[in-house]
Amino acid sequence: GAVVSQHPSWVICKSGTSVKIECRSLDFQATTMFWYRQFPKQSLMLMATSNEGSKATYEQGVEKDKFLINHASLTLSTLTVTSAHPEDSSFYICSARDLNRAANEAFFGQGTRLTVV
Amino acid sequence: AQSVTQPDIHITVSEGASLELRCNYSYGATPYLFWYVQSPGQGLQLLLKYFSGDTLVQGIKGFEAEFKRSQSSFNLRKPSVHWSDAAEYFCAVGTGTASKLTFGTGTRLQVTL
Repeated sequence: GAVVSQHPSWVICKSGTSVKIECRSLDFQATTMFWYRQFPKQSLMLMATSNEGSKATYEQGVEKDKFLINHASLTLSTLTVTSAHPEDSSFYICSARDLNRAANEAFFGQGTRLTVV
Repeated sequence: AQSVTQPDIHITVSEGASLELRCNYSYGATPYLFWYVQSPGQGLQLLLKYFSGDTLVQGIKGFEAEFKRSQSSFNLRKPSVHWSDAAEYFCAVGTGTASKLTFGTGTRLQVTL
């Protein structure tokens, strides 16, 4: 149980285009999901908290108009990187909170490696 | 705000030697504590976690960690390292819930044969 699937695993896009990343909870409902970013050889930094049916909460310094988050269902959150630039190249990973687990533990997807050329 | 410190950026050990990776946190109460491992180009794999109870936690792949409240630490240990353990190790804490996590900067483990 508690499986989170992220798609795609990797994507290459041209500078100026937009890219959508999906995060799905496969066997549980997730009213809250989290999006993290990891630059090469660095740690994971929380970008935003995605809330089903409401606006996402962004961490300080994260541009909400650039990183659009939609959490339209209890099992799916999407992150769209708009007008991507090479500096957006990173590893993006989501987690989904399972309210049926102790301490509302969240489980991670396998991540998406984005390369902007 | 909570913070997580992994003092060792890079550690090299010989195969078969013991390992201890350090993790210290700053938080007023007992946080939820995790250790993850990440191989190059891969996602995160949960090694173990501590929520409450016995302060010595057993995980996968022969790893264990001990929560020490007095030292605000959650160090990861393995008695005998295998070459396949070479990877990046992250300590993470959750405060309030075990869902929204703050990660340490990571420790890169190199294993020599």
